Amino acid sequence: DAKTTQPPSMDCAEGRAANLPCNHSTISGNEYVYWYRQIHSQGPQYIIHGLKNNETNEMASLIITEDRKSSTLILPHATLRDTAVYYCIVRPNDNNAGNMLTFGGGTRLMVKP
Amino acid sequence: KAGVTQTPRYLIKTRGQQVTLSCSPISGHRSVSWYQQTPGQGLQFLFEYFSETQRNKGNFPGRFSGRQFSNSRSEMNVSTLELGDSALYLCASSSGDFHNEQFFGPGTRLTVL
Repeated sequence: DAKTTQPPSMDCAEGRAANLPCNHSTISGNEYVYWYRQIHSQGPQYIIHGLKNNETNEMASLIITEDRKSSTLILPHATLRDTAVYYCIVRPNDNNAGNMLTFGGGTRLMVKP
Repeated sequence: KAGVTQTPRYLIKTRGQQVTLSCSPISGHRSVSWYQQTPGQGLQFLFEYFSETQRNKGNFPGRFSGRQFSNSRSEMNVSTLELGDSALYLCASSSGDFHNEQFFGPGTRLTVL
């Protein structure tokens, strides 16, 4: 079962920041938070991941709370092409788990002009 | 660098038949994972192959099987097809190292009539 809770949908105005929340209150100390997105009719795309420090890359920023029970993915200037389903995934730091990803329902982000 | 290739892109089968789907990972990647995506169940992990060995398996019946070849290409097979097997089948490739990015292919859309 997915260990994350996300709102089913969100809207964002084009050019504004999109802040996508994720609750992972049962996360354990060795589990990472990953974000993927899936644009319609395409395979999922990796965005970013982190353990406890905030992370930033060319696509987004990931803010993880100090207690690690929740996180927020930030798309600083959303464009229409960012319309997609965004998945927050908790993944163990365990080589035995391999590359298995457990997807939940995700958040459907609609960026509007 | 070429992306993940899946063939065929679309497939129509009838109940009771079997089907084989193919996935060619990114050059140099040794891990291939397979996922099933349906409107009702979302994205679900099927199995992962790494260096020709199954490293992880999801909760699917034995009708679903896979294999990986020495060139890292992977196939998955579904025998005795059921209507509920209609889905988008996605494969993802990665180098196999932990916390590496996984790259998804466009998927194979299977319809079972």
